[in-house]
Amino acid sequence: NAGVTQTPKFRVLKTGQSMTLLCAQDMNHEYMYWYRQDPGMGLRLIHYSVGEGTTAKGEVPDGYNVSRLKKQNFLLGLESAAPSQTSVYFCASSLDTYNEQFFGPGTRLTVL
Amino acid sequence: GQNIDQPTEMTATEGAIVQINCTYQTSGFNGLFWYQQHAGEAPTFLSYNVLDGLEEKGRFSSFLSRSKGYSYLLLKELQMKDSASYLCAAPSGGYQKVTFGTGTKLQVIP
Repeated sequence: NAGVTQTPKFRVLKTGQSMTLLCAQDMNHEYMYWYRQDPGMGLRLIHYSVGEGTTAKGEVPDGYNVSRLKKQNFLLGLESAAPSQTSVYFCASSLDTYNEQFFGPGTRLTVL
Repeated sequence: GQNIDQPTEMTATEGAIVQINCTYQTSGFNGLFWYQQHAGEAPTFLSYNVLDGLEEKGRFSSFLSRSKGYSYLLLKELQMKDSASYLCAAPSGGYQKVTFGTGTKLQVIP
């Protein structure tokens, strides 16, 4: 089993460009999450999903959109990238809130 | 949502014992997670406590006091590879998501 995978691993964007980050899990987990991690800020929840076809806003959703069309995939979109979105993005999945989250390796995004 | 507090940084000596504390809001409490994150890597699960008391897993133990809103992670026989950030986290917001603390960066020195 691959666990949780993320693509791409690194990306550099110019301000105003758009991109989609892909997260895939092969553990048949219902719950999936997108976090961003910045120095001194810890992990902050962007959006999450508790099942196929459902999404909800987390702590810092502005500037991001998500989709969960298939249970195994959770996509994070940036429609118009801004330098403030420079960060490391982690995807995670879990059976539910009370079980451990499995994290992907992260995507390092720089917006110039 | 949850309000989780933990120290920003700690330093300890190889071979020693270190305790990393975490405090959280007690209302609506439903368990507390600990994760380890090495620099440049993803977090990995260490423990999940729901009941009061100490749970031991090898060199790592986690303690919970629900009435005090307090938990700690105890690392024994410290090794250099234990240098990492340790994240405390708790279910929150209708229990569909988890709130993470900002993490405690532990440096183990020879």
